[in-house]
Amino acid sequence: DSGVTQTPKHLITATGQRVTLRCSPRSGDLSVYWYQQSLDQGLQFLIQYYNGEERAKGNILERFSAQQFPDLHSELNLSSLELGDSALYFCASSVGGARSEAFFGQGTRLTVV
Amino acid sequence: GENVEQHPSTLSVQEGDSAVIKCTYSDSASNYFPWYKQELGKRPQLIIDIRSNVGEKKDQRIAVTLNKTAKHFSLHITETQPEDSAVYFCAASTGSYIPTFGRGTSLIVHP
Repeated sequence: DSGVTQTPKHLITATGQRVTLRCSPRSGDLSVYWYQQSLDQGLQFLIQYYNGEERAKGNILERFSAQQFPDLHSELNLSSLELGDSALYFCASSVGGARSEAFFGQGTRLTVV
Repeated sequence: GENVEQHPSTLSVQEGDSAVIKCTYSDSASNYFPWYKQELGKRPQLIIDIRSNVGEKKDQRIAVTLNKTAKHFSLHITETQPEDSAVYFCAASTGSYIPTFGRGTSLIVHP
């Protein structure tokens, strides 16, 4: 157990819908990262938060948004879902700063039908 | 931004053989290079990492080497076992630590 908790584990929804994925980082970790992993694809960086502030954006679609709350948990909101959004979404957390290990949650498998 | 290339995409070896996975990176400011192992249906987990002030690091059957001049680093697994079968990801990051991952190598160890 990495200490990073993601809910739900599985999510099936229809095209056009909106979903929210939740992540609770390890105790003490200030940085939260979101990654998308599609079938046979690597880990695509979406967005990073550090202590409540957006730190960096990667290949995140405009239909997607995220936030980190004062208690440091984070939510990833996916809207106007398309079939191609079906993927495994990972959250990772780290203490933050240079060269600190990232711990991954177990992921949320999103299936858009 | 950083770009990490990883090769090969698939590696098939016999049990007991060695396996080598290679990565190159583009940003000379990168100074932290972790390797993650992802078993089927599970989360990526750190197996070894190396920092820019070190050229080589070893942990039992796995080792990582770093060549900063050439901007490449490699993972070496000796005496492979079936339980080593997984997808391995290399990553590179700079001081702000936004790890950029390679596309992954699927390692298959045949008994």
